Amino acid sequence: DTGVSQNPRHKITKRGQNVTFRCDPISEHNRLYWYRQTLGQGPEFLTYFQNEAQLEKSRLLSDRFSAERPKGSFSTLEIQRTEQGDSAMYLCAAGLAGGNEQFFGPGTRLTVL
Amino acid sequence: KQEVTQIPAALSVPEGENLVLNCSFTDSAIYNLQWFRQDPGKGLTSLLLIQSSQREQTSGRLNASLDKSSGRSTLYIAASQPGDSATYLCAVLETSGSRLTFGEGTQLTVNP
Repeated sequence: DTGVSQNPRHKITKRGQNVTFRCDPISEHNRLYWYRQTLGQGPEFLTYFQNEAQLEKSRLLSDRFSAERPKGSFSTLEIQRTEQGDSAMYLCAAGLAGGNEQFFGPGTRLTVL
Repeated sequence: KQEVTQIPAALSVPEGENLVLNCSFTDSAIYNLQWFRQDPGKGLTSLLLIQSSQREQTSGRLNASLDKSSGRSTLYIAASQPGDSATYLCAVLETSGSRLTFGEGTQLTVNP
């Protein structure tokens, strides 16, 4: 158990709807990362936070995507106006700044109909 | 831009066989390399982490090696079991220390 939980585990939505995912790391992990994984591919980096500051965003993170970590604890990832191409597994990972290991949660599987 | 390649994409072996999975990366300026296991529809389980200054790491039947100068890593699985069936992913952490860059994985099937 990595101590990283994600909710919901599965989400089915219709195209054009907004969805929000949540990630809860253990309190000691001040870094939090979001990755996206499509079928048959390796995960791709989306963004990461150190405490509440969002320090890096991938070009994959279009304007329809927004991530927050308001108190440096849990994080949310929102997708607005979902498209079928957003269907993927969204993975959250956490770790320590200055450390170098990332611990992954179980992921949220998004299906856009 | 860092690129990570894993060969083979899929592998099917009989139970008991020893096997090697390969990972290569294009930029040797890495902080570390991690091997993960992923079961269908599940998240990632970390298997082994090798720091850039290390040559190998071992855990049970698993042994991972790293040759940073040539941009290569191997994951050796001894005496494979059906329970080892999964996708194995290799990922590198660059010296900037933020993002992991993953390969596309090797899907392993161990037949009883």
